[in-house]
Amino acid sequence: AQRVTQPEKLLSVFKGAPVELKCNYSYSGSPELFWYVQYSRQRLQLLLRHISRESIKGFTADLNKGETSFHLKKPFAQEEDSAMYYCALSVRSGYNKLIFGAGTRLAVHP
Amino acid sequence: NAGVTQTPKFRILKIGQSMTLQCAQDMNHNYMYWYRQDPGMGLKLIYYSVGAGITDKGEVPNGYNVSRSTTEDFPLRLELAAPSQTSVYFCASSYGEASGNTIYFGEGSWLTVV
Repeated sequence: AQRVTQPEKLLSVFKGAPVELKCNYSYSGSPELFWYVQYSRQRLQLLLRHISRESIKGFTADLNKGETSFHLKKPFAQEEDSAMYYCALSVRSGYNKLIFGAGTRLAVHP
Repeated sequence: NAGVTQTPKFRILKIGQSMTLQCAQDMNHNYMYWYRQDPGMGLKLIYYSVGAGITDKGEVPNGYNVSRSTTEDFPLRLELAAPSQTSVYFCASSYGEASGNTIYFGEGSWLTVV
């Protein structure tokens, strides 16, 4: 079955602490993964995708096919990073679609 | 550019009523989507469209209908509303298919069926 699991509903850290938002996926094909973010009172938007191997706002994510994971990391959290983060998997099952995880709320405290 | 615009933002419906959620995009995107998000769950695809005149079912289409008469508009119709349709609805669009293109989302529509 195709599935995205984000095991933590809430991750609470202090400013300056490292952050790791976990994402595990289940997919028999070649995975393409994304992280989307929703800041307070803003719409859901793309943060990064694994094929770009980019760092956005200090966040990085590495695809680990052996562990079927795509964890989102940032070495030093900032208060403005507080948001809902969704991991998404692109699959082709008749049509190309995104499967979203349930999301993790990141709260960064001063 | 307004991007993806959804209306209404909030709505309360009685069981059995019908309504249409409006969605428009001004980015000339071919692909448009409707998702729903139930509390504590990820977004699930209801319907999608790859261009004007072409629509198809997603994962959870029952109880909904869509049309795509123009590139810009992709309304979602709820017929005979049920409490199980209480959810947050997101319209989205992309230039091409989901794998290679950024999906742009609307702000969401909160629907409660009582």
